[in-house]
Amino acid sequence: GAGVSQSPSNKVTEKGKDVELRCDPISGHTALYWYRQSLGQGLEFLIYFQGNSAPDKSGLPSDRFSAERTGGSVSTLTIQRTQQEDSAVYLCASSENRGRETQYFGPGTRLLVL
Amino acid sequence: GENVEQHPSTLSVQEGDSAVIKCTYSDSASNYFPWYKQELGKRPQLIIDIRSNVGEKKDQRIAVTLNKTAKHFSLHITETQPEDSAVYFCAASKRDDKIIFGKGTRLHILP
Repeated sequence: GAGVSQSPSNKVTEKGKDVELRCDPISGHTALYWYRQSLGQGLEFLIYFQGNSAPDKSGLPSDRFSAERTGGSVSTLTIQRTQQEDSAVYLCASSENRGRETQYFGPGTRLLVL
Repeated sequence: GENVEQHPSTLSVQEGDSAVIKCTYSDSASNYFPWYKQELGKRPQLIIDIRSNVGEKKDQRIAVTLNKTAKHFSLHITETQPEDSAVYFCAASKRDDKIIFGKGTRLHILP
């Protein structure tokens, strides 16, 4: 079946602009995660959703970052007033439920802020 | 909250030799420990996982061991091959909570 998909695959933007990153999880997966991965670095947790609610937003770096999930499916990560340090690969993952379940990652969105 | 430490950050082994990556965790309630492999330019993928009711699990050349008392777990790769070159992430979680990843180990298999 279809895996996790993300769009766009690449995004180049100017400093100060807003960007929206989209994640389509595997159908039926209730848990959805967003991570940030800078070049050669680890997986930085941003936020996760159980259904449409986000019990843990502790990883969001600043109030410029926000995310929502609608219909228990698609999620959007929004970065307002982008800064150069926001440049990274943003990965989305989904699992059947939270914790103790395999996470399936999307291909990521590579964001470059000029 | 949970904290996962992983080492080494970089590991180079001769092709055919074994590689061992070690992780420690802080939350004694954690009971699920997956390992993910990320090849260059690709997404992380699960390669093996272990739950707290067992001490060891093996899948062909890959094995994972868990010591709950010491709160550490390890990944063992035997007879390493060039395609094993990648970044490996350990992780820990407990029921109904998010997975916490280690910072990763970059494994180089030398010809």
